[in-house]
Amino acid sequence: GQNIDQPTEMTATEGAIVQINCTYQTSGFNGLFWYQQHAGEAPTFLSYNVLDGLEEKGRFSSFLSRSKGYSYLLLKELQMKDSASYLCAVRDTNRDDKIIFGKGTRLHILP
Amino acid sequence: DAMVIQNPRYQVTQFGKPVTLSCSQTLNHNVMYWYQQKSSQAPKLLFHYYDKDFNNEADTPDNFQSRRPNTSFCFLDIRSPGLGDAAMYLCATSRGDTRPWGDTQYFGPGTRLTVL
Repeated sequence: GQNIDQPTEMTATEGAIVQINCTYQTSGFNGLFWYQQHAGEAPTFLSYNVLDGLEEKGRFSSFLSRSKGYSYLLLKELQMKDSASYLCAVRDTNRDDKIIFGKGTRLHILP
Repeated sequence: DAMVIQNPRYQVTQFGKPVTLSCSQTLNHNVMYWYQQKSSQAPKLLFHYYDKDFNNEADTPDNFQSRRPNTSFCFLDIRSPGLGDAAMYLCATSRGDTRPWGDTQYFGPGTRLTVL
């Protein structure tokens, strides 16, 4: 089977830094995605990690530890427009490389 | 701009009345997916096409069908919508150059379905 766990909700302040964690259990891991989804809109791709380490892309960074089954998405210099849900998704080689989504973390940004 | 387009954005239907949702893409991607997403839940994959090959998820109800008449278009048909089928329906595409799965998926804006 496969489990993807991430916090349901988080709150942070404009200009601050926030880290959204994701843990997963899968029989055949082959990559992890982060997507951003604004309310009522479709998910948009943020990042992809398949090797251990940190991938930085502007204000957003994503980290992966395969041995720990753990990833995080780091958002710096938070802006009000970053208020959204952040979905962690894992690719499972034992399921024909299908991408399985977590339920998402709803991030609220306070002024 | 290359994109994934879904029409309509909002659809209202009556209990038991068939409804069709459409998706088109200008990305020329091989793979097209349909997801169902209910409030505060993860997107749930219903089925996907790799080119013309249809792949149904084991737990997708028979009430849901799909058609892909050409590379650009894909349709989701709900034959007899129930109240539990009210959800956001997301279409996505991926390149699928070397395999059907695993590439980054690009989503359309979704169709929000209401069942009365």
